[in-house]
Amino acid sequence: DGGITQSPKYLFRKEGQNVTLSCEQNLNHDAMYWYRQDPGQGLRLIYYSQIVNDFQKGDIAEGYSVSREKKESFPLTVTSAQKNPTAFYLCACKTGAPYNEQFFGPGTRLTVL
Amino acid sequence: DQQVKQNSPSLSVQEGRISILNCDYTNSMFDYFLWYKKYPAEGPTFLISISSIKDKNEDGRFTVFLNKSAKHLSLHIVPSQPGDSAVYFCAASSGNTPLVFGKGTRLSVIA
Repeated sequence: DGGITQSPKYLFRKEGQNVTLSCEQNLNHDAMYWYRQDPGQGLRLIYYSQIVNDFQKGDIAEGYSVSREKKESFPLTVTSAQKNPTAFYLCACKTGAPYNEQFFGPGTRLTVL
Repeated sequence: DQQVKQNSPSLSVQEGRISILNCDYTNSMFDYFLWYKKYPAEGPTFLISISSIKDKNEDGRFTVFLNKSAKHLSLHIVPSQPGDSAVYFCAASSGNTPLVFGKGTRLSVIA
């Protein structure tokens, strides 16, 4: 059963701690993305990766880091440098053009106390 | 600078009537447009898309219209059902670039 998964669904961390959000896909898609959703802000792109071992900053990359060591996995680390880390984080993947439909994971709600 | 704009944060429609959600874009390089539906605390799900070479695409109760000269697209839902109540995001892309999303419109379908 193909799909994209994120874990955990809910995550709580103390201020000043780094935290890593998991994203795994078995759709064999090359491109993977991380978005952040805040109320009234829509979906904002944090980082994306078009291919293994390569990634690019999105619109709001400050305070975040990623890695892409495997095609199936694209973990996101929220560092202590991120000033407002509490948000709903969404991972997505996409096969190549011309098929631009992105498939999203179920999301992780991160709350920093 | 918002490249994709959804100017109506919310919309209320009676069950059985038509829902029309609007989206404007500024980047003339965009060549592919999508609509996503999102429930709270869940990931968005793909609804319907349209290429810039077309002006209309239909899938069941959902139709997307594209007006390239006005840089405007709309999603029509007919007839609207209570289960359609969700946040709808418009998105656009150019070639293999990441999708650019609007801020969303919350649709409420009233029984």
